[in-house]
Amino acid sequence: GAVVSQHPSRVICKSGTSVKIECRSLDFQATTMFWYRQFPKKSLMLMATSNEGSKATYEQGVEKDKFLINHASLTLSTLTVTSAHPEDSSFYICSPLTRQETQYFGPGTRLLVL
Amino acid sequence: SQQGEEDPQALSIQEGENATMNCSYKTSINNLQWYRQNSGRGLVHLILIRSNEREKHSGRLRVTLDTSKKSSSLLITASRAADTASYFCATLPSNTGNQFYFGTGTSLTVIP
Repeated sequence: GAVVSQHPSRVICKSGTSVKIECRSLDFQATTMFWYRQFPKKSLMLMATSNEGSKATYEQGVEKDKFLINHASLTLSTLTVTSAHPEDSSFYICSPLTRQETQYFGPGTRLLVL
Repeated sequence: SQQGEEDPQALSIQEGENATMNCSYKTSINNLQWYRQNSGRGLVHLILIRSNEREKHSGRLRVTLDTSKKSSSLLITASRAADTASYFCATLPSNTGNQFYFGTGTSLTVIP
């Protein structure tokens, strides 16, 4: 089956620092990448959608300057949480979409901002 | 919001019993998927049912879809302790591109 990796899997940082999360599709090309965040015991909330080589489309209420998404290639997308604050602590999951429109999910990155 | 709702929010049953979870949504859909998530882990795809299908089976899983009521159910038969997890439905709306919208999830605990 398709393999999606996220790095790091867990990160703890101080308030005010920026954190970059990488998502890679290891054996397929992702034309579209979705980024979700999940609060404890809550459902996944779609944050943004990005297509390779173009700017991401953000969902209502998600600050684009806060959550920078780069979809530089068909196998790599990054989410950077800038100037992180404790309320940004969450579980972030990338979800690449293949050319055949099959959606896969990464294993997630747990961010804790102190 | 296009996000679905699941019912119940939490379910606790004895091993061997059946577990039924329901998902309701608001817009017309292309398909609906069920996912499982173990605590602190990523999502695992369980089953996909298309809008023109009414029922699908996969092992101990049975999914139904009623598009007139905009609802779906997931039945896990002969539950096992290893089935303990959160279960989410995700809908692919007909008119909003390719992104899925997730339900609120049901937390299932199977007691050995």
